[in-house]
Amino acid sequence: DAGITQSPRHKVTETGTPVTLRCHQTENHRYMYWYRQDPGHGLRLIHYSYGVKDTDKGEVSDGYSVSRSKTEDFLLTLESATSSQTSVYFCAIGPDGRPGNTIYFGEGSWLTVV
Amino acid sequence: TQLLEQSPQFLSIQEGENLTVYCNSSSVFSSLQWYRQEPGEGPVLLVTVVTGGEVKKLKRLTFQFGDARKDSSLHITAAQPGDTGLYLCAGGNAGKSTFGDGTTLTVKP
Repeated sequence: DAGITQSPRHKVTETGTPVTLRCHQTENHRYMYWYRQDPGHGLRLIHYSYGVKDTDKGEVSDGYSVSRSKTEDFLLTLESATSSQTSVYFCAIGPDGRPGNTIYFGEGSWLTVV
Repeated sequence: TQLLEQSPQFLSIQEGENLTVYCNSSSVFSSLQWYRQEPGEGPVLLVTVVTGGEVKKLKRLTFQFGDARKDSSLHITAAQPGDTGLYLCAGGNAGKSTFGDGTTLTVKP
């Protein structure tokens, strides 16, 4: 298994509260990604990072922010959680952005916003 | 936005049957990956193809990348109950991957 740890694995929170999900890797990979997975929408990219303090938006970035202060950690923050952000969140890592890059996924974080 | 369409969305077959899953796009990708995902777990990479027309085999699974690098197929021969799961294709460009919605395969014993 690729060395990816997501925390928390399960969380229930109330609308309007801030939430931070953490992704920790032990592979020293340059690229890290946050995806959300919802029925009927597959996996959609929220944000990604191509190095420490280097991040960029994905296709569904509204309402989310990220930070990467160390190679091994990539944080996803919901500043004010909404019910539409109830989802399964997956972190992924990859060595680089070249064609054929292998991306490895974590086990997911289940977030419910009530 | 680059879109990937997978078909069929759901597939239920008997053990021993063959099947093909398709992944189509109007966009060109520098690489294409196939993943398998089981309930409660993250997707696991099955294969990456990068060359137009490329064919890769993984035991009973055969993957093909279209000549124009816009589409791909996954063929499973003599499906087994252990093949049950969600199959996802993903197209890669510039360090990012776009995923299809997946094909849910159920293989009945």
